Amino acid sequence: AQSVSQHNHHVILSEAASLELGCNYSYGGTVNLFWYVQYPGQHLQLLLKYFSGDPLVKGIKGFEAEFIKSKFSFNLRKPSVQWSDTAEYFCAVKNQGGKLIFGQGTELSVKP
Amino acid sequence: DTGVSQDPRHKITKRGQNVTFRCDPISEHNRLYWYRQTLGQGPEFLTYFQNEAQLEKSRLLSDRFSAERPKGSFSTLEIQRTEQGDSAMYLCASSFFPQGIGNEQFFGPGTRLTVL
Repeated sequence: AQSVSQHNHHVILSEAASLELGCNYSYGGTVNLFWYVQYPGQHLQLLLKYFSGDPLVKGIKGFEAEFIKSKFSFNLRKPSVQWSDTAEYFCAVKNQGGKLIFGQGTELSVKP
Repeated sequence: DTGVSQDPRHKITKRGQNVTFRCDPISEHNRLYWYRQTLGQGPEFLTYFQNEAQLEKSRLLSDRFSAERPKGSFSTLEIQRTEQGDSAMYLCASSFFPQGIGNEQFFGPGTRLTVL
């Protein structure tokens, strides 16, 4: 069965700390991978996506993610977080039919 | 605003009542998706349309749930005889097909349903 697993349910960091959120997927086909973010009171927004090519993808607001096929992983990183990065982060894989399969989400709290 | 819109944003209903939600996708998008999100979980796929055709339904979508997209534009999701377990955020997303590099699903703000 297709699934996405996010390792951390809640991460608390101080400003300027580095961030890495883990994501592992289980899917046998060609993978399209996404990270979405949901800021408090706002709707889901796309941070970045991987379709093919360079496994290191850069997104908005200084986020990046690395696709490691051998590890079935797509971890999200940011070298220095800001208070405004406080949000919930969702990893997702898109299957052939087009639907997104989401992980359970990681809540990030950044202390000023 | 040219994004995905959903109406209402909040709905409180009593158990056993019927509710209907509406989603207006981005105008040029031909695919429309419905997801459900409960507290502490990621969104779960319910169903999707390409134009007016409903192409896939999740097993989560019991026979109390029905979705339509009659003219290939807006969509409605109806829940009949609501149960407390239906309390969730119902999300709509749209995209353009055929898919390729750059295509993504754009999400609406959601409708939060509370069943008392």
